[in-house]
Amino acid sequence: DIVMTQSPDSLAVSLGERATINCKSSQSVLYSSNNKNYLAWYQQKPGQPPKLLIYWASTRESGVPDRFSGSGSGTDFTLTISSLQAEDVAVYYCQQYYSTPSFGPGTKVDIK
Amino acid sequence: EVQLVESGGVVVQPGGSLRLSCAASGFTFDDYAMHWVRQAPGKGLEWVSLISWDGGSTYYADSVKGRFTISRDNSKNSLYLQMNSLRAEDTALYYCAKVAATRLYYYYMDVWGKGTTVTVSS
Repeated sequence: DIVMTQSPDSLAVSLGERATINCKSSQSVLYSSNNKNYLAWYQQKPGQPPKLLIYWASTRESGVPDRFSGSGSGTDFTLTISSLQAEDVAVYYCQQYYSTPSFGPGTKVDIK
Repeated sequence: EVQLVESGGVVVQPGGSLRLSCAASGFTFDDYAMHWVRQAPGKGLEWVSLISWDGGSTYYADSVKGRFTISRDNSKNSLYLQMNSLRAEDTALYYCAKVAATRLYYYYMDVWGKGTTVTVSS
């Protein structure tokens, strides 16, 4: 089974500043036959289900603001919020779908 | 509009059984694999189970293997999770989620329901 870890557990960022969340998988989630990283990011606000933000490690889901971006390959990935807005306060999860799914433990993002 | 609506969550005693349902609409249900994912109170997301579009293949997390059974009725656009031998640690909000691509297992989840709450307590 692939184990996902995230850092930090939580972070507080001033409005308009950058937030960076890291995600690491215990084995590579890069599928060599199509050169795609089987890694997604979800945002979960209090009392709501998770919402898909990013898939294939860096492809933004339709309707997701372009201040959200994903990067990385193999085992190391990053979600960046370039200019934090009040509505971005949430918990963010990475998830691998290279095999039976597993989620990272989540990173809580707050306003400083 | 693509929609998933879970139901069936209740308070049940340890050792008891329960069946959750997920009603799907707005898409061709029998073209998509489906997941159950749970979230214990104040905790993160835990994948529970996956079923193929035709119900022919199923997968389970080790924590529920042998106790939970995922199934689907494509004629009713419905997904199910039969939960037996329930434990306190099964207490959670249970979500159903749709795989984003047709006739593939290992894909991201693009649509989630709002969840149904299962509480295992005496």
